[in-house]
Amino acid sequence: GENVEQHPSTLSVQEGDSAVIKCTYSDSASNYFPWYKQELGKRPQLIIDIRSNVGEKKDQRIAVTLNKTAKHFSLHITETQPEDSAVYFCAARGTGNQFYFGTGTSLTVIP
Amino acid sequence: GAVVSQHPSRVICKSGTSVKIECRSLDFQATTMFWYRQFPKKSLMLMATSNEGSKATYEQGVEKDKFLINHASLTLSTLTVTSAHPEDSSFYICGKTVDEKLFFGSGTQLSVL
Repeated sequence: GENVEQHPSTLSVQEGDSAVIKCTYSDSASNYFPWYKQELGKRPQLIIDIRSNVGEKKDQRIAVTLNKTAKHFSLHITETQPEDSAVYFCAARGTGNQFYFGTGTSLTVIP
Repeated sequence: GAVVSQHPSRVICKSGTSVKIECRSLDFQATTMFWYRQFPKKSLMLMATSNEGSKATYEQGVEKDKFLINHASLTLSTLTVTSAHPEDSSFYICGKTVDEKLFFGSGTQLSVL
């Protein structure tokens, strides 16, 4: 199956600064890449996604970029706020329509 | 997002007992349901894909006789952890896709004593 790697595993930023999380995937046939935010004890929530025919997508303070040639994609959060603190997961949808997840990034926004 | 109802939210059981976890699709029909396992502070590991009316597809390394999956209707998929042991303690969560987006149930925290 697909292998998704994610870095960093932990990230601390000052409120108002930007945060960047990076992921790589192994299966060149993967064509859909969502990002999830998971707060402690809760289900992962979809926050943004990107398809392989698009290089960048933005939704307010959140943006995702995709480099299909290099097989990596990134999440960018600007003007971070304390409520952005959570664990973020990237994922890739494989050829069998299953979703494979990265190892997660624990983001802490320091007020 | 799509509504997936998962029960129970938490279960504590003795070693050797079996535990059933249910996931219901409350809005759209779900011909396919994905089952994941998550260890504390770890990633979501895909265990299996259940398909309505047919056998589930298990990921490599997942024991199908240990984790029984049934998808008898378009709205209900169940995961049964058979003869549970302490190492099976984990957070189990189901998910379904709607318009290619994956939405999750609320998860089940299983603790085996």
